[in-house]
Amino acid sequence: DQQVKQNSPSLSVQEGRISILNCDYTNSMFDYFLWYKKYPAEGPTFLISISSIKDKNEDGRFTVFLNKSAKHLSLHIVPSQPGDSAVYFCAASASEETSGSRLTFGEGTQLTVNP
Amino acid sequence: NAGVTQTPKFRVLKTGQSMTLLCAQDMNHEYMYWYRQDPGMGLRLIHYSVGEGTTAKGEVPDGYNVSRLKKQNFLLGLESAAPSQTSVYFCASNRGLLAGGLIGELFFGEGSRLTVL
Repeated sequence: DQQVKQNSPSLSVQEGRISILNCDYTNSMFDYFLWYKKYPAEGPTFLISISSIKDKNEDGRFTVFLNKSAKHLSLHIVPSQPGDSAVYFCAASASEETSGSRLTFGEGTQLTVNP
Repeated sequence: NAGVTQTPKFRVLKTGQSMTLLCAQDMNHEYMYWYRQDPGMGLRLIHYSVGEGTTAKGEVPDGYNVSRLKKQNFLLGLESAAPSQTSVYFCASNRGLLAGGLIGELFFGEGSRLTVL
């Protein structure tokens, strides 16, 4: 039962263009969503997050959009740079889990930005 | 500032052998976690700890044990390794909301690649 799903294993875009990574979830208890970025041979690093009370959060070139009714979120990277090439994981958390942050991760999407 | 350090980085085991993965964090974080990453499955939570002396089961705890005797260390043990435990293991930590942390902002180690033959 995959509660957080990233349907695209890979995405390739040209430098300077927009990258859009998608994520769907099924658990209605999730109310906090995050994106993590992972380079080879390194651990994931936190990128950006959004609370369910918002529909958009922006941080520099990165914007996360949340559509609660569709249980869908997306990460937009504009403009894309070769250094953005990495695996991106979508993750979700339920605030009822007040003890720590037990995240449920998606499968990941490999983004490749071509020069 | 080392952050989260995992030892060892690589290990090959035979079926039935035991081993322990060590995670150490120097950020005084209250919460610590062990995840495993498998192809096509993302990261799955094995066990976690909400403070020194506490442990709890995550999504896939079977075949693993953990201990948190000191706040800065979180050990993951395999008593009798199986090929299904071949994976990359990640340790993570965070402060928690009351200590000023952000929900879900985990700090990960570099990973430990385990192969069970």
